[in-house]
Amino acid sequence: AQSVAQPEDQVNVAEGNPLTVKCTYSVSGNPYLFWYVQYPNRGLQFLLKYITGDNLVKGSYGFEAEFNKSQTSFHLKKPSALVSDSALYFCAVRDGVSGGFKTIFGAGTRLFVKA
Amino acid sequence: KAGVTQTPRYLIKTRGQQVTLSCSPISGHRSVSWYQQTPGQGLQFLFEYFSETQRNKGNFPGRFSGRQFSNSRSEMNVSTLELGDSALYLCASSLGYMNTGELFFGEGSRLTVL
Repeated sequence: AQSVAQPEDQVNVAEGNPLTVKCTYSVSGNPYLFWYVQYPNRGLQFLLKYITGDNLVKGSYGFEAEFNKSQTSFHLKKPSALVSDSALYFCAVRDGVSGGFKTIFGAGTRLFVKA
Repeated sequence: KAGVTQTPRYLIKTRGQQVTLSCSPISGHRSVSWYQQTPGQGLQFLFEYFSETQRNKGNFPGRFSGRQFSNSRSEMNVSTLELGDSALYLCASSLGYMNTGELFFGEGSRLTVL
């Protein structure tokens, strides 16, 4: 069965420093991987996705993510954090092998960027 | 282009009642998914619809049901409400069912069960 793990409940980083939010996955077929962000009292917003091709994926708001097949990881990164990046981040995997499609989300990681 | 619209945004019910939530997807999107978000359980998949057919279902009791109409609008219903059903219910749409596109989320319907 597909699963997504986000090992950190919270990540704290100073503004201007690089940030990493970790994600590992387990799927039975090819992984379709996504990152979403949620601001307070709002729905989720799409940041970026990996379907195939280049292992480094660039997305919205300066975020990027690195796909590592051998480590089954898809970590979210940003070279220089902003206070406005503080939010809840979800990694997700969409599995297309189990007789249907569904998108499964990790538990979420709260990012706190301090000025 | 209008986003995903969910109604109502907030509602309060008592145990034993039932509730119906509505979701209008982005124009042209034919797939609608529903999720339950709670602080303790995170985002839990409820079901996904495409072309008026439920294509996949999560591990929720039969009290949770849904449907999709010919215009792709979707509703979900929860009967015999329990305190534990208090949550933010999120709807998301995407272009098709078999594609690998991203989900577009509404702002959610926050249900409180007293």
